[in-house]
Amino acid sequence: GENVEQHPSTLSVQEGDSAVIKCTYSDSASNYFPWYKQELGKRPQLIIDIRSNVGEKKDQRIAVTLNKTAKHFSLHITETQPEDSAVYFCAASGTGNQFYFGTGTSLTVIP
Amino acid sequence: KAGVTQTPRYLIKTRGQQVTLSCSPISGHRSVSWYQQTPGQGLQFLFEYFSETQRNKGNFPGRFSGRQFSNSRSEMNVSTLELGDSALYLCASSLFAGEAFFGQGTRLTVV
Repeated sequence: GENVEQHPSTLSVQEGDSAVIKCTYSDSASNYFPWYKQELGKRPQLIIDIRSNVGEKKDQRIAVTLNKTAKHFSLHITETQPEDSAVYFCAASGTGNQFYFGTGTSLTVIP
Repeated sequence: KAGVTQTPRYLIKTRGQQVTLSCSPISGHRSVSWYQQTPGQGLQFLFEYFSETQRNKGNFPGRFSGRQFSNSRSEMNVSTLELGDSALYLCASSLFAGEAFFGQGTRLTVV
């Protein structure tokens, strides 16, 4: 089955700096890659996603890049703010809605 | 538009008992997936239902089962509870492949 690895597990940045989280996947049949943000005690929330026919997608301060050949995708957050502090999960999915999740990155933005 | 609703929010059960959790998806969504979230294992896929049929199943023992009703509401059942079943159980609903939206989860504690 699919195996998703996520790095780093923890990340601390100064407010205003950029944060990058990287994930790799193993199954070339995966074609949908969402990113979720989970604040303490809350549900995971979809923040951005990308499909395999696209190399990059941007939404304000958040961007995701996908390299199908290397089987890796990354989340980029620019101009970080304290409210960006949370755990971020990457995921990969093929057919249906069976998601394989990375182990999460705990992001702390220091004011 | 109402989001994904899970009930109950919290449950405390004794080893050996069984439990049923409920998930009402976003109106119009026909796919419901279930995940177990623990600090040690992260988010792990349990199963997915689409139009009352189980479409995918993760690597969990047969004690974990589910079903989906004609109105797309889904239930999952865990029989013969073990201490290791203590976790946050999340369901996610999708309109089509991808873009899954999570409920608040049910926090199950087995004592």
